[in-house]
Amino acid sequence: EAGVAQSPRYKIIEKRQSVAFWCNPISGHATLYWYQQILGQGPKLLIQFQNNGVVDDSQLPKDRFSAERLKGVDSTLKIQPAKLEDSAVYLCASSLDMGSLGYTFGSGTRLTVV
Amino acid sequence: LAKTTQPISMDSYEGQEVNITCSHNNIATNDYITWYQQFPSQGPRFIIQGYKTKVTNEVASLFIPADRKSSTLSLPRVSLSDTAVYYCLVGVSNQGGKLIFGQGTELSVKP
Repeated sequence: EAGVAQSPRYKIIEKRQSVAFWCNPISGHATLYWYQQILGQGPKLLIQFQNNGVVDDSQLPKDRFSAERLKGVDSTLKIQPAKLEDSAVYLCASSLDMGSLGYTFGSGTRLTVV
Repeated sequence: LAKTTQPISMDSYEGQEVNITCSHNNIATNDYITWYQQFPSQGPRFIIQGYKTKVTNEVASLFIPADRKSSTLSLPRVSLSDTAVYYCLVGVSNQGGKLIFGQGTELSVKP
């Protein structure tokens, strides 16, 4: 089966600019997650969707980060405006449903804010 | 969610068996134990999951003692390609439990 697709693979922006990341989960996977991974650290959960509804966004910095999954399939994560500390890899993962712990991750988008 | 503690790094040589132990003293009755592997420039990959005793698949074995306060991931006969970061996670599978990643163990396999 096809994996979790993410784009772009790399992105370099200046601080205060905006950026968007796209994720296409595995077909049929109801649950979608966005993680932020700073170099040398484990991934940190930003937001969890079940179909097109938000289940948990408690760790999402809502003053600058937003995410949506309008049709319950693809998802976008946006940062506006970006800060230097947002430099990280942004990982998207999906799972069949909220009862499954077998997540499938994409390869991520590496964001560099200069 | 239960906190996990695992070594920050480990070194090994090709052909050896590697055991990575994870402590999770506050594990709850409903919690499963899951291990992920992450190579550079890739997302984490699910390796193995268990609840108690021993689980084995084509990649690894997972040993869980009766008190479930720790678990050991065993990689038989490692090769250079097993160099990666290994994460131990504890989560509630039947409540949409979110996987919270810690620091992980950076395994370096040398020739």
